[in-house]
Amino acid sequence: QSVLTQPPSVSAAPGQKVTISCSGSSSNIGNNYVSWYQQLPGTAPKLLIYDNNKRPSGIPDRFSGSRSGTSAALGITGLQTGDEADYYCGTWDSSLSAGVFGGGTKLTVL
Amino acid sequence: QVQLQESGPGLVKPSETLSLTCSVSGGSLSSGTYYWSWIRQPPGKGLEWIGHISYTGSTNYNPSLKSRVTISVDTSKNQFSLRLKSVTAADTAVYYCASFFRRIIRGTVWNRIDPWGQGTLVTVSS
Repeated sequence: QSVLTQPPSVSAAPGQKVTISCSGSSSNIGNNYVSWYQQLPGTAPKLLIYDNNKRPSGIPDRFSGSRSGTSAALGITGLQTGDEADYYCGTWDSSLSAGVFGGGTKLTVL
Repeated sequence: QVQLQESGPGLVKPSETLSLTCSVSGGSLSSGTYYWSWIRQPPGKGLEWIGHISYTGSTNYNPSLKSRVTISVDTSKNQFSLRLKSVTAADTAVYYCASFFRRIIRGTVWNRIDPWGQGTLVTVSS
């Protein structure tokens, strides 16, 4: 049981847009910044979004992040088959004094 | 840029202690803003944060693993290590080491995990 809640899977057609949600509480998302990680098949996770909505160098602007209250969201536009991956949200939980992740969302580009 | 590489046995017997080391290159462990983390991923499952350590030796651990985990740092070798005792089959996972940026400003925690090591599979079996 993950501290942060994500949908297990989402799917959309190439070129379309998809949004992945991440729900938490006031001790994590509600008061701390959120990051998103992309894990392509067979590889280590990679930082995709940090500080709720910032992109590291080299991440295309098709990827965006947002936060509202105790929830966060990852948006991907112009979907490509290469975007098929597992996506995880993560943050710090101040009550647990621990890092926490969502359970992960598998994106399928049909 | 900083790179991390895990090393250690790929097979551990039940009830024994899992030991892994992470070697850091391209940067120094002695950075006040960064913590040095261990994260694991059981086969086919999601990510689980194990814990992290600062270069001064300050640690935070996942409450569910705290009784069995020790993370230590060796700044002279630019390495940090994980020990997980009394392992069972449930501890079988890919173990990642990573750099965890954490800064607290007026009660808000700025945080991100980047970069990650490539990961190493540890199987617990007799």
